[in-house]
Amino acid sequence: DSGVTQTPKHLITATGQRVTLRCSPRSGDLSVYWYQQSLDQGLQFLIQYYNGEERAKGNILERFSAQQFPDLHSELNLSSLELGDSALYFCASSVGQGRNSPLHFGNGTRLTVT
Amino acid sequence: GNSVTQMEGPVTLSEEAFLTINCTYTATGYPSLFWYVQYPGEGLQLLLKATKADDKGSNKGFEATYRKETTSFHLEKGSVQVSDSAVYFCALSDVNQGAQKLVFGQGTRLTINP
Repeated sequence: DSGVTQTPKHLITATGQRVTLRCSPRSGDLSVYWYQQSLDQGLQFLIQYYNGEERAKGNILERFSAQQFPDLHSELNLSSLELGDSALYFCASSVGQGRNSPLHFGNGTRLTVT
Repeated sequence: GNSVTQMEGPVTLSEEAFLTINCTYTATGYPSLFWYVQYPGEGLQLLLKATKADDKGSNKGFEATYRKETTSFHLEKGSVQVSDSAVYFCALSDVNQGAQKLVFGQGTRLTINP
């Protein structure tokens, strides 16, 4: 158990809809990261927050947004969903931001868009 | 930009065989290097890491040495077990303006037959 909690585990929704994925980091971790894992794209970095502030952005679509709250949990909002958004979405956390801070991953939310 | 290339899978071995999964990277600066493992239905778990050239990371019988001259971080295990069946990801730490993100290889699926 990594200590990172993601909810829900599975989500099935229709095209055009909006969903929210939730992540609670390990106790004491200030950084939260979101990754998308799909068969054709592999693991893609989406966005990182540190202590409530956005710190790095990757291949995140404009239809997607995220935030980190004062209690350090994070939410990833996906809107105007398309079939191609179907993927596993992972949250990870780390104590700091440096190169020596390993990431600890949750078990992911599997999103299916029909 | 920074990137990681892993040997293509899937890889199928018999129990007690020797394992090598190749990983090479392209990076500016001196990234930290990681191997993560993903068991079915779970998130990624940190397997081992190395933070500077010639460092050897090791865990659970797995080893990898940070080779700056060949920009490689190959994963090895002397005698694999059925329980090692999983997907293995090589990754490097990309730190930009104090914010870290992990850049992953495409993953190598390993199956160990009894």
